[in-house]
Parts: sequence; C-alpha cells; structure tokens
Amino acid sequence: GAGVSQTPSNKVTEKGKYVELRCDPISGHTALYWYRQSLGQGPEFLIYFQGTGAADDSGLPNDRFFAVRPEGSVSTLKIQRTERGDSAVYLCASSLTGGDYEQYFGPGTRLTVT
Amino acid sequence: KQEVTQIPAALSVPEGENLVLNCSFTDSAIYNLQWFRQDPGKGLTSLLLIQSSQREQTSGRLNASLDKSSGRSTLYIAASQPGDSATYLCAVDTDSWGKLQFGAGTQVVVTP
Repeated sequence: GAGVSQTPSNKVTEKGKYVELRCDPISGHTALYWYRQSLGQGPEFLIYFQGTGAADDSGLPNDRFFAVRPEGSVSTLKIQRTERGDSAVYLCASSLTGGDYEQYFGPGTRLTVT
Repeated sequence: KQEVTQIPAALSVPEGENLVLNCSFTDSAIYNLQWFRQDPGKGLTSLLLIQSSQREQTSGRLNASLDKSSGRSTLYIAASQPGDSATYLCAVDTDSWGKLQFGAGTQVVVTP
C-alpha cells in the first residue's frame, strides 16, 4: 500500500515569506507526527496529532509555526515570516494509533530559506 | 531531560564483518526504543521496535538488545553487506504516545 507522502519535496523561499508543507499519512493511521532534521542531527519532534487534535505541540519552536489536521488525515505545517534558521528537512510520520506502534516516515520536505 | 547518544558517529567495515552500533540514553523511564535506517536524502525506515518490557528483538540479520537499567541499546547487524551502508538512528519514546527523541545517528559504510 501507499506510504507516507510529503509535498513539495523541495521548497526554496525568501526570508519573511509564508510556506505550507503537506503530509499525507498512511490510510487508517490516527497518529501523525512532524519532526525537523538539521544536517548531521537526528530528527527533532515538533508536534503530534491524534485524530484531528494536536495532542502535543511542545516542540514547535515559536508562534510562527502552526500545524493543522482538520479531517484527521492530511496535515499541513505552516510557517509564517520564515527565517534562515528555519532551513531544514521537515519529516512527517504516521502510526496506527501512536504509542507502541512503529512510526512510518515520509521522504521529507527540504526547506531552504534564502 | 532525556539525552540520547550514539557512538561512534561514523563507522567503516569490510563486507562480511558484523556491525555493532551503540545507543545510550540518560533517563531509563522509556516506553520503547526504536532503531531506524536513513539513506541519503531519504526519510527514515523503521528497523526494530523494542518495548520497555522486552530485552531484545530480531529481524533477519538484525538483532537489537535493550538494557533499560543501564540506559543502553545495541543494534547488531550480522554479515554486513554494501547495501547496509546508511545512517542508523535510535530513538526513545518517553511519553507513551510516540513522541520520539533521537540520537544523532551512526553513519555506516560497508566496503566491498
């Protein structure tokens, strides 16, 4: 079956602009996670959804970052007033219900802020 | 605060040799530990998930052990192949619902 997909695969934007990153999880997975990975580092947790609700957004670095999952499937990560420090690979993962279930990762969106 | 460390940062071995990758964590109150593989420019692929009540998990040539009390996990890859070249990451779940905290990874090169 289809895995987790993310679009776009690459995004180049100018400092100060607004961007949206999309994640399509595996069908039937209720848990969805966003992570951010900088070069040479492991992924860093941003936000977790269980169904439509953000169960934990403690990893969002500041109020410029926001994520939604309105119908409990597709999720969008939104970044306002982008800064050069936001440049990273943004990874999305889903799992059946969270907890002790494996997380399946998408290929990521590489965001470059110039 | 939980910290996850992977040593060494990089490792090169000849084909056929067994690989031993180490992961340590500072807080033993974990729900599970997962090992992932990451190929350049790609997302992560889950290899093994060890629940906190388990001591090890096996899948084919891969075996992962978990010692919660000492805060350690080891991933063994038997009879390495050039296709095993990748970065291997371990991650711990300390919140029971899958909020993973990752190490920085070990970059492995298996030479033919």
